[in-house]
Amino acid sequence: KAGVTQTPRYLIKTRGQQVTLSCSPISGHRSVSWYQQTPGQGLQFLFEYFSETQRNKGNFPGRFSGRQFSNSRSEMNVSTLELGDSALYLCASSSAGSREETQYFGPGTRLLVL
Amino acid sequence: AQSVTQLDSHVSVSEGTPVLLRCNYSSSYSPSLFWYVQHPNKGLQLLLKYTSAATLVKGINGFEAEFKKSETSFHLTKPSAHMSDAAEYFCVVSGGTASKLTFGTGTRLQVTL
Repeated sequence: KAGVTQTPRYLIKTRGQQVTLSCSPISGHRSVSWYQQTPGQGLQFLFEYFSETQRNKGNFPGRFSGRQFSNSRSEMNVSTLELGDSALYLCASSSAGSREETQYFGPGTRLLVL
Repeated sequence: AQSVTQLDSHVSVSEGTPVLLRCNYSSSYSPSLFWYVQHPNKGLQLLLKYTSAATLVKGINGFEAEFKKSETSFHLTKPSAHMSDAAEYFCVVSGGTASKLTFGTGTRLQVTL
């Protein structure tokens, strides 16, 4: 099976712009989660989608949003970008999103905000 | 609520010597615990996981971890380090009923000749 794929791999944006990141889960997986990784804050949970519904949300401002499509692919959007949004954004997929399951991570999208 | 504490931010070992990366956890639930590894500029790869079965868990590349409820610990070990083990290691606990993962701050493992 193909692994989790994320596009694009690298992005450069300026403050105030918005950005959309895409994640394609492993075939058959219905749960997709997003994480932000920064040197200062480490890895933090953004949100999880299951069957097109947001099921879990972390402590991020409303500028961070996402959605999931019927084929389980997910997008994450960040509006009004700030310098502090520069990070590696990782998505992970699992079959049903239960806590015992392994989450499989993609390679990440590295976002730089200037 | 759940949390993990990785007791060392940086560990340096010589090639061929044992590796010990320490992790303590806190969880309101019977926890699911994971160790992930991240090589430079790469995503996260699962090393092993504990989900209330055997307390000694064997993972990939010779790593193993022991779940100790009395000590709330889940330390990662390997008998003999290899240069390719140099990476960042994350101890992770899973949330109550869903898949929200809470990560430790990471331990950077350096392996020297």
